[in-house]
Amino acid sequence: GNSVTQMEGPVTLSEEAFLTINCTYTATGYPSLFWYVQYPGEGLQLLLKATKADDKGSNKGFEATYRKETTSFHLEKGSVQVSDSAVYFCALSDDVGGSNYKLTFGKGTLLTVNP
Amino acid sequence: NAGVTQTPKFQVLKTGQSMTLQCAQDMNHEYMSWYRQDPGMGLRLIHYSVGAGITDQGEVPNGYNVSRSTTEDFPLRLLSAAPSQTSVYFCASRLGGQRFSEQYFGPGTRLTVT
Repeated sequence: GNSVTQMEGPVTLSEEAFLTINCTYTATGYPSLFWYVQYPGEGLQLLLKATKADDKGSNKGFEATYRKETTSFHLEKGSVQVSDSAVYFCALSDDVGGSNYKLTFGKGTLLTVNP
Repeated sequence: NAGVTQTPKFQVLKTGQSMTLQCAQDMNHEYMSWYRQDPGMGLRLIHYSVGAGITDQGEVPNGYNVSRSTTEDFPLRLLSAAPSQTSVYFCASRLGGQRFSEQYFGPGTRLTVT
């Protein structure tokens, strides 16, 4: 079956530090890959996505590249801000039969950025 | 668009009570899902639906029922609440038939069972 493994954290950084959150996956088909973010007290929202190998998703200074050869989709940001403090989820969407594309989530990584 | 709405935001139940968590979306999405979020466990899929009249079980369906009579609504029923069902519940929706479609989440319902 499909699975997503991401570093569990928590991750604590100082403002302007470099961020990497690792994510690797296993999938039976050719998945699309996503990063979702959950701010305190809120639901999840899409941060970025990539739909094919070597695609780079980017948004709000965050980037992730779909690496088929290493089955990875690591999230990076060059300079984090206090407002980036949140839980980050890696996810994949793959065909489970016909056109029924199911989302599989990693367990989430809590990021805290200190001023 | 209101997106995905959930009610109530907070609920406290006693063991054995029943209740329904409401979920509605106004984006005409075919797919709707219910997740529970527990510390250290991430998001776990309870039930999902690929269209009106069609539902299926996810990873942790025991103790929960769903139905999908309209495209817009996807209520989650707890038949006899147990302390193990204390959690934050999220409803989500997305366009069907596309592996790259974004999933939209509601704001969540925080349920405590005593």
